[in-house]
Amino acid sequence: LAKTTQPISMDSYEGQEVNITCSHNNIATNDYITWYQQFPSQGPRFIIQGYKTKVTNEVASLFIPADRKSSTLSLPRVSLSDTAVYYCLVGDGDSGYALNFGKGTSLLVTP
Amino acid sequence: KAGVTQTPRYLIKTRGQQVTLSCSPISGHRSVSWYQQTPGQGLQFLFEYFSETQRNKGNFPGRFSGRQFSNSRSEMNVSTLELGDSALYLCASSLRTGREAFFGQGTRLTVV
Repeated sequence: LAKTTQPISMDSYEGQEVNITCSHNNIATNDYITWYQQFPSQGPRFIIQGYKTKVTNEVASLFIPADRKSSTLSLPRVSLSDTAVYYCLVGDGDSGYALNFGKGTSLLVTP
Repeated sequence: KAGVTQTPRYLIKTRGQQVTLSCSPISGHRSVSWYQQTPGQGLQFLFEYFSETQRNKGNFPGRFSGRQFSNSRSEMNVSTLELGDSALYLCASSLRTGREAFFGQGTRLTVV
C-alpha cells in the first residue's frame, strides 16, 4: 500500500500559483494518483486524478514525472476561497485505495 | 443529479449507547465508503462496501460495523459508544472503488 508524504501546511497570497508536492516512493504499477480538497466541516471534494505525465482540468493541473514517485498539484492564481486542506491519495481498488487520506496539506491563502 | 445524502446531520448520544448512521449514495454508484474525521487523527477510513459486500476495512474495533443494501444505501453502526467516538462521520460513493468519490456532508456525532 503506497504511503504518501506531503507538507503539513503552505501559505500563499491571492493571485499566485500554488504547487503542492506529494511523495509516493513505493507507488505500484496499477496505482492512480488522486487529489481532494476539503473545507471545514464538509466532505472532501475530488479535484483531479492522473496516472502519468500531465492532467489538466478547469480547476487544477497534476504533474507526474516519469518515475511516478511524486506528483505535484498546481493551482493557478489562487483566491481566498482556495484556503482548504488538500489530500493526495495513491492506490487502486484492489490495493486499498480508500485507506490513504492521511493528514493532508493545509493551504492558507491571504490577501 | 442528487448528491450523497447522510442522515442525520447532527447527533448527540450518551456513553454506552449505540448509534446508526445512514448514507444514500448517488444513483448508480455501487461503492460506498465510510470515514471518521477528528481533529487529532484526521480522515480515517472505516470500511468500504461494493454491491453489498465489504471489500476493505480500516483499523477500527469491532464496535464499528456497517452494511450495504441491495439499493446501495449503506448504514454504519457504532455500539457501546465512547467519548472518543465523537467525530464527523463521512460517507462517500463512487461508481467503483478507486475512482472519483463523492462525499456527503457528514454526520456530526457527539458522545457525552
